[in-house]
Amino acid sequence: GAVVSQHPSWVICKSGTSVKIECRSLDFQATTMFWYRQFPKQSLMLMATSNEGSKATYEQGVEKDKFLINHASLTLSTLTVTSAHPEDSSFYICSARTGTDGGETQYFGPGTRLLVL
Amino acid sequence: AQSVTQLGSHVSVSEGALVLLRCNYSSSVPPYLFWYVQYPNQGLQLLLKYTSAATLVKGINGFEAEFKKSETSFHLTKPSAHMSDAAEYFCAVRGGNTGKLIFGQGTTLQVKP
Repeated sequence: GAVVSQHPSWVICKSGTSVKIECRSLDFQATTMFWYRQFPKQSLMLMATSNEGSKATYEQGVEKDKFLINHASLTLSTLTVTSAHPEDSSFYICSARTGTDGGETQYFGPGTRLLVL
Repeated sequence: AQSVTQLGSHVSVSEGALVLLRCNYSSSVPPYLFWYVQYPNQGLQLLLKYTSAATLVKGINGFEAEFKKSETSFHLTKPSAHMSDAAEYFCAVRGGNTGKLIFGQGTTLQVKP
């Protein structure tokens, strides 16, 4: 099956620093990847859609200068949380889309837990 | 615009009992619907999906869901619950041409011995 990895799985950082999270599709190419944020006991909130070779599309209310997304290749997308603050602490999950229209499916990474002190 | 509503944020069943998790959707176009499961501190795993083929969809781990257009529902069922089924379950609908998923609020399934 399609496998998506994320690195790191856990990160603790000081307020004001930047953190980069990688999302990789291991056994398929993904022209589109998605980044979600999940707070405890809540559903997933889509942050942005990442397309290979083009700028990410951000959801309303998500600061694009705060959450930098780069989709450098068909198997790698990165999310950088710039100048992180405690309110950015959350569980970040990526997904990669495979298949054609009608049969497409999103496969999710295991998530990255970010704690900003 | 598409949306999903999961009825019941918490469902508790006994081991061996029927599992029924409810999902209703709203969509202006024929929907693509999904059920995902999330175990603690993990990502989401696809259980099954409906993409306008058969209305009764069978997934992994003995789960299945039936698409009912007249009721705008896509409820998830399993005949006999196992302890290992305890997790968070999310129903989702694909939104528009971008392929992004719109998730329901999630339902926590508790399985009692």
